[in-house]
Amino acid sequence: EIVLTQSPPTLSLSPGERATLSCRASQTVNNYLAWYQQKPGQAPRLLIYDASNRATGIPARFSGSGSGTDFTLTISSLEPEDFAVYYCQQRNNWPLTFGQGTRLEIK
Amino acid sequence: EVQLVESGGVVVQPGGSLRLSCAASGFTFDYYAMHWVRQAPGKGLEWVSLINWDGGSTYYADSVKGRFTISRDNSKNSLYLQMNSLRAEDTALYYCAKALPTVTTMIDYWGQGTLVTVSS
Repeated sequence: EIVLTQSPPTLSLSPGERATLSCRASQTVNNYLAWYQQKPGQAPRLLIYDASNRATGIPARFSGSGSGTDFTLTISSLEPEDFAVYYCQQRNNWPLTFGQGTRLEIK
Repeated sequence: EVQLVESGGVVVQPGGSLRLSCAASGFTFDYYAMHWVRQAPGKGLEWVSLINWDGGSTYYADSVKGRFTISRDNSKNSLYLQMNSLRAEDTALYYCAKALPTVTTMIDYWGQGTLVTVSS
């Protein structure tokens, strides 16, 4: 099973700042990595798939990069609605696995 | 608009059985693979199972293999999860989720979830 390790566990930033979230895989997932956003009491929302492709309707301030084992989700300028938990997920190997999440909180 | 509405979550005793349902609308259900993903209270996401568009292929997490069965009825636009031999660690919010159009292993829409509690 591929283990995804997200860092940091919690990130405290202010609106307008740049956020950089990391996801590291225990073995290569090629570029088959997605990012999801989850707000309290809500279902997750797909942001990025296959490492760098924005999902439909996702603002341009969200971008993804990386390949192999190291991936990054960048939010260029934080909006108030961006404070949430973010998960990465790989689809290169069975079983599909998620990271443990990074909580992005308002500083 | 894509809608996925889960139902069937209840409190059940360890060793018991339960069937979850998911009613889909707003898209051509029989074109897409479907997933179940769960989230224990206050925890992260855990993928549970996948079924392809016609039900001919199914996949499971090791933690549920042999106990859970995913199925679908395309004539009813419905997805199911039969859960047997339930354990305390199966307690979670269970999400029904739709795959991307051409990528069966990627989820693009999620329901709001149904809560399963395994407790005596």
